[in-house]
Amino acid sequence: QQQVKQSPQSLIVQKGGIPIINCAYENTAFDYFPWYQQFPGKGPALLIAIRPDVSEKKEGRFTISFNKSAKQFSLHIMDSQPGDSATYFCAASGAAGNKLTFGGGTRVLVKP
Amino acid sequence: DGGITQSPKYLFRKEGQNVTLSCEQNLNHDAMYWYRQDPGQGLRLIYYSQIVNDFQKGDIAEGYSVSREKKESFPLTVTSAQKNPTAFYLCASSDRGAYEQYFGPGTRLTVT
Repeated sequence: QQQVKQSPQSLIVQKGGIPIINCAYENTAFDYFPWYQQFPGKGPALLIAIRPDVSEKKEGRFTISFNKSAKQFSLHIMDSQPGDSATYFCAASGAAGNKLTFGGGTRVLVKP
Repeated sequence: DGGITQSPKYLFRKEGQNVTLSCEQNLNHDAMYWYRQDPGQGLRLIYYSQIVNDFQKGDIAEGYSVSREKKESFPLTVTSAQKNPTAFYLCASSDRGAYEQYFGPGTRLTVT
C-alpha cells in the first residue's frame, strides 16, 4: 500500500532529447508528489513537486504529468543537457510534515 | 547561510561499535528526518521527529536510536544491533505544515 514504483532504472539520451521517468503508487491517501535530483555523493535536491488537483506542472525544463485515475505520474526533462546527468527519485507523501515514500531511482545519462 | 549540515562526511567504524551521526539545521524547521540510502536504491525512512522531545519510528528503525533535545539538532546513533550499517545516511528537515523536505549532504558510514 505504501510503495512507489519507479521506472526505468536507467536511461541514456542524447543532448537535446527528452528523458521520461515514470512512477506509480497504490496509496490513494498520497497527496503530494515531489521529484528529487541527486548527484553522486550529494544529498537529494528538491526539483519540482505536484499536488493531485493539477494534471501538469512546469518549472524551467522540468515537467511533471499527473494522472490521478491511473495513480501514475512522470517527469519529463526537456532539451536535456549533460549537466542533467544524475539520479532522479520520485516520492509521495500523505500529509504535510509526514514521511516521504521514495521510488527506487532512475539514473539518467545525457550524452553530449 | 541557511541549511542542513551533516558531519562528518565520511565515517569509518569497526563492527560492534556504536556510532553517532550529527545533523544540524538553521532553517528553523520543526520536523527532521533520517533516511538510509543503499547503492542503487531509493531512500528508506529510519526515524522522524515533528517536534522537540518527540520522535517516531520509520520503516527501518531496528538497530538505530535518535534524540531530539533541541529544535536544530537530530543526532542518529547506529548501534551494534544494526546488522548492515554500511550505507549513506541522509538527514532532512521540513517546516511546520509544509510538504517540502530539504536534505543535508549526507554521511557515508563504513563498518568493517
